[in-house]
Amino acid sequence: EPEVTQTPSHQVTQMGQEVILRCVPISNHLYFYWYRQILGQKVEFLVSFYNNEISEKSEIFDDQFSVERPDGSNFTLKIRSTKLEDSAMYFCASSWGTRQETQYFGPGTRLLVL
Amino acid sequence: KNEVEQSPQNLTAQEGEFITINCSYSVGISALHWLQQHPGGGIVSLFMLSSGKKKHGRLIATINIQEKHSSLHITASHPRDSAVYICAVNYGGSQGNLIFGKGTKLSVKP
Repeated sequence: EPEVTQTPSHQVTQMGQEVILRCVPISNHLYFYWYRQILGQKVEFLVSFYNNEISEKSEIFDDQFSVERPDGSNFTLKIRSTKLEDSAMYFCASSWGTRQETQYFGPGTRLLVL
Repeated sequence: KNEVEQSPQNLTAQEGEFITINCSYSVGISALHWLQQHPGGGIVSLFMLSSGKKKHGRLIATINIQEKHSSLHITASHPRDSAVYICAVNYGGSQGNLIFGKGTKLSVKP
């Protein structure tokens, strides 16, 4: 069964460093999402992406964040200058459509900023 | 503000018990999702509902659009059902992004 994959599974970085989190969505899906979950808190929406551009983003997704689909398969989230409060689990998801479609989640990348 | 509220926050049950988890939301939605988060963190989609009722194995999900309320039921619960169950919604004006509840942590004892 097709699945969303994410790499790395864990990343430790120093405050101020750039990190790139990678996702490979399910191949025929058209919509891509990043969510994050700070330890002990609920999952929060960061950004959605369709047709090679951002379709929606939350207040969390400020200028430090960017997303890209550099080729036909990868979908990346870049954090330019990490802060301690960026420590979280980051989930990528993909779906075929938008409002009434199941989203398929990747296993997550656990990011720790020291 | 668009909110998703779940109850209870924590639930402990004996194996075999019938379990109900509730979700309420504040404004009109296009769809409601029930998700399962395993102890390792992975999230799996269980149901996507826009009306009525869906059943998959021992899991049943219902939604009442007028009352802005949904329930997830687990029949004949088993220790392997132990997980966090999360309700999430697509609000009508969104482009598909999900707004999540805080989750219900279920522990089923043998």
